[in-house]
Amino acid sequence: DAGVIQSPRHEVTEMGQEVTLRCKPISGHNSLFWYRQTMMRGLELLIYFNNNVPIDDSGMPEDRFSAKMPNASFSTLKIQPSEPRDSAVYFCASSLTSGRAGELFFGEGSRLTVL
Amino acid sequence: DAKTTQPNSMESNEEEPVHLPCNHSTISGTDYIHWYRQLPSQGPEYVIHGLTSNVNNRMASLAIAEDRKSSTLILHRATLRDAAVYYCILRQDSNYQLIWGAGTKLIIKP
Repeated sequence: DAGVIQSPRHEVTEMGQEVTLRCKPISGHNSLFWYRQTMMRGLELLIYFNNNVPIDDSGMPEDRFSAKMPNASFSTLKIQPSEPRDSAVYFCASSLTSGRAGELFFGEGSRLTVL
Repeated sequence: DAKTTQPNSMESNEEEPVHLPCNHSTISGTDYIHWYRQLPSQGPEYVIHGLTSNVNNRMASLAIAEDRKSSTLILHRATLRDAAVYYCILRQDSNYQLIWGAGTKLIIKP
């Protein structure tokens, strides 16, 4: 079975440009998470969707960040305009359930470098 | 929020058992204990989870103290492929939140 698929794997862009990261969760999973990982702050939850509906976006840093989940098989995380401090690895994860025992399946991540 | 405390790093020899400790003294009665690991340049990977009883799966064993204030992840026979950062996480009542700490970097020596 295919796991969580993220694209692009690597993105290098210049400050001020728009960046769009994409995620295809595992089929049948109803929970989707976007995380950001940096050396300084570790793994941080940015936003959580359940059944395609954003439930918690309190981790989204600021208005420059937005996330959508138009259907059960696709989600995007957009940064506009991008800044150097957005450089990080962005992970998408999906889960069959949001309950305490639900296992999260992570993609391989999108490494973003903003120059 | 209940937090976990793990050593920053540990070393072990290949083909020997590894015991990775985790302290969670403020755990609540309904918090599950989850372990994930992250291999270099990859996303985190689920390892095991438990509530009160010890748990075994094909990857590892989880030993949970009787008072639930600590737990130990056991890799029975470490290989070089087990070199990773191991995260001990409590899953909160709010269900979806995983509070990630710094984890333990496991170094396996050939």
